[in-house]
Amino acid sequence: DADVTQTPRNRITKTGKRIMLECSQTKGHDRMYWYRQDPGLGLQLIYYSFDVKDINKGEISDGYSVSRQAQAKFSLSLESAIPNQTALYFCATSDRSATDEQFFGPGTRLTVL
Amino acid sequence: GEDVEQSLFLSVREGDSSVINCTYTDSSSTYLYWYKQEPGAGLQLLTYIFSNMDMKQDQRLTVLLNKKDKHLSLRIADTQTGDSAIYFCAETSDTGRRALTFGSGTRLQVQP
Repeated sequence: DADVTQTPRNRITKTGKRIMLECSQTKGHDRMYWYRQDPGLGLQLIYYSFDVKDINKGEISDGYSVSRQAQAKFSLSLESAIPNQTALYFCATSDRSATDEQFFGPGTRLTVL
Repeated sequence: GEDVEQSLFLSVREGDSSVINCTYTDSSSTYLYWYKQEPGAGLQLLTYIFSNMDMKQDQRLTVLLNKKDKHLSLRIADTQTGDSAIYFCAETSDTGRRALTFGSGTRLQVQP
């Protein structure tokens, strides 16, 4: 079984709808991250959480919110989706090792019409 | 803020060496990474280098770090068609933030 899972894997929605993307991990890591990937732009950090009580905004947090329900779960919400939020969204985890290696989920492809 | 830049595309023939380059701006970077993304998948860590090292070799992969020029490269020897993917350079600095800054990715195409 995958260590970092994301649901759904694909989602098509309409402008103005509220969407939640979920991420679960079985690695026992404290740190979790949400990124979006757009062609030619690499990965941009949306939000990150170093433990259940610690949530931080990333580079592009506007229009997004997160919830860290438990150590293993970190969800990303789009309160009112807009077309320029169409992208590939990745969840990642890391532990407190010195190298800070991140482990990525398979991604959620979101299309906002 | 921190910035990491890469060229977007590289094409090589099978069996040749590939060299993917990256430049970064954060002089306090402590670790620099190379991640690989295969089609339809998330990113996987290929290798990393600590900022006090100049070179790291791991089988077919060689990472070179020039701290003075803030330049990182990944050399893949004997490139295979299975190496076709997007390669991301990333860095983290010792600021306590500890989130990675990624480059835009280099798409490597390996021609048979």
